[in-house]
Amino acid sequence: SQQGEEDPQALSIQEGENATMNCSYKTSINNLQWYRQNSGRGLVHLILIRSNEREKHSGRLRVTLDTSKKSSSLLITASRAADTASYFCATIPRNSGNTPLVFGKGTRLSVIA
Amino acid sequence: NAGVMQNPRHLVRRRGQEARLRCSPMKGHSHVYWYRQLPEEGLKFMVYLQKENIIDESGMPKERFSAEFPKEGPSILRIQQVVRGDSAAYFCASSYNGRGARSNQPQHFGDGTRLSIL
Repeated sequence: SQQGEEDPQALSIQEGENATMNCSYKTSINNLQWYRQNSGRGLVHLILIRSNEREKHSGRLRVTLDTSKKSSSLLITASRAADTASYFCATIPRNSGNTPLVFGKGTRLSVIA
Repeated sequence: NAGVMQNPRHLVRRRGQEARLRCSPMKGHSHVYWYRQLPEEGLKFMVYLQKENIIDESGMPKERFSAEFPKEGPSILRIQQVVRGDSAAYFCASSYNGRGARSNQPQHFGDGTRLSIL
């Protein structure tokens, strides 16, 4: 079964608005990562947040992590048309070393100019 | 381009043929991961390799699929006797986990090989 589940499955907003995507997972984790995938391309790593961190920023991206609720959110501020893509959360289970990522099904974001 | 290189980008095969997908990791990366993605789905892990070793193949189908990462050259994902259900995008990722690296390094992805079975 999927470890990560993103919500919503699809999101459509106007350029300049903020976009918020959520991710829930099932088991304890070492860290959680967010990736972006443009149509027909591979995944691009956006940000990694460790299990002992609660919030992390990178440019227009803000990620929060609530390990008690087993959930994370990705906020993109002042969205641009170029942010249109699918966004995936991926987890590394706790006590795992260099193990493969477990991905959710993604949120498809459309930013309308 | 120092990124993860996959080829071919598109591969068309008839049922029963063999498909070979290649992946050259980023320079300095010795860990390679293969994932499969169906339309509108996330990526599903298939196999994790280091040079000359298979570390975890728990996501690989038991038959027809194999992977290698030789001492020299790219990693190869091989699918024998392909069937329609093998149609998907196959992504390779690599990471640096050498001496001095912090744990859980980000994985860097190639642009994938889109396999179509006629």
